[in-house]
Amino acid sequence: DAGITQSPRYKITETGRQVTLMCHQTWSHSYMFWYRQDLGHGLRLIYYSAAADITDKGEVPDGYVVSRSKTENFPLTLESATRSQTSVYFCASTEAGLRGYTFGSGTRLTVV
Amino acid sequence: ELKVEQNPLFLSMQEGKNYTIYCNYSTTSDRLYWYRQDPGKSLESLFVLLSNGAVKQEGRLMASLDTKARLSTLHITAAVHDLSATYFCAVADTGTASKLTFGTGTRLQVTL
Repeated sequence: DAGITQSPRYKITETGRQVTLMCHQTWSHSYMFWYRQDLGHGLRLIYYSAAADITDKGEVPDGYVVSRSKTENFPLTLESATRSQTSVYFCASTEAGLRGYTFGSGTRLTVV
Repeated sequence: ELKVEQNPLFLSMQEGKNYTIYCNYSTTSDRLYWYRQDPGKSLESLFVLLSNGAVKQEGRLMASLDTKARLSTLHITAAVHDLSATYFCAVADTGTASKLTFGTGTRLQVTL
């Protein structure tokens, strides 16, 4: 089915572990984004990508790593998870913004 | 740095009443988006506003954009309980990569 999918939907991990959140879109959109949502902060941009092999930092990139070897995939890795990274993570994609941005269903990550 | 302020943060209103949510942003942009989020769900696109003076309406919701004032409004007419949700505005960076900066959201509660 066409769309943008995130996995897993829920994840509990321990402090210090590495964890990867997956994002896959089927539209071949050029732009992809990772946001985190925390109460009182709205959504904050972690990393974004304008095309395959082109990524850049957003507002809150520390502790995260991204890659984009293929247009359709944009995984987000927490290298050494901390409790402050407990959040809901949303992936989004767009072609040029003229038709808006589409968001995945989110991953709720808890770091214990 | 683009900043987006949204107010009010919380709005409790009775069914049948009208109200307006405001979204102010700090730097030039010609693209603004409104999203709805239900508890535990992803973001659903409501409106895409692409030019000064743009007005979009869907049911009891109407959004407008004044790029000169750097202001967008989301007007709710004759609220119904089904409109209870959190509403976000998001402004696109006119630079590279079409980054979106979000307001902190307005939690709308419509009571009988």
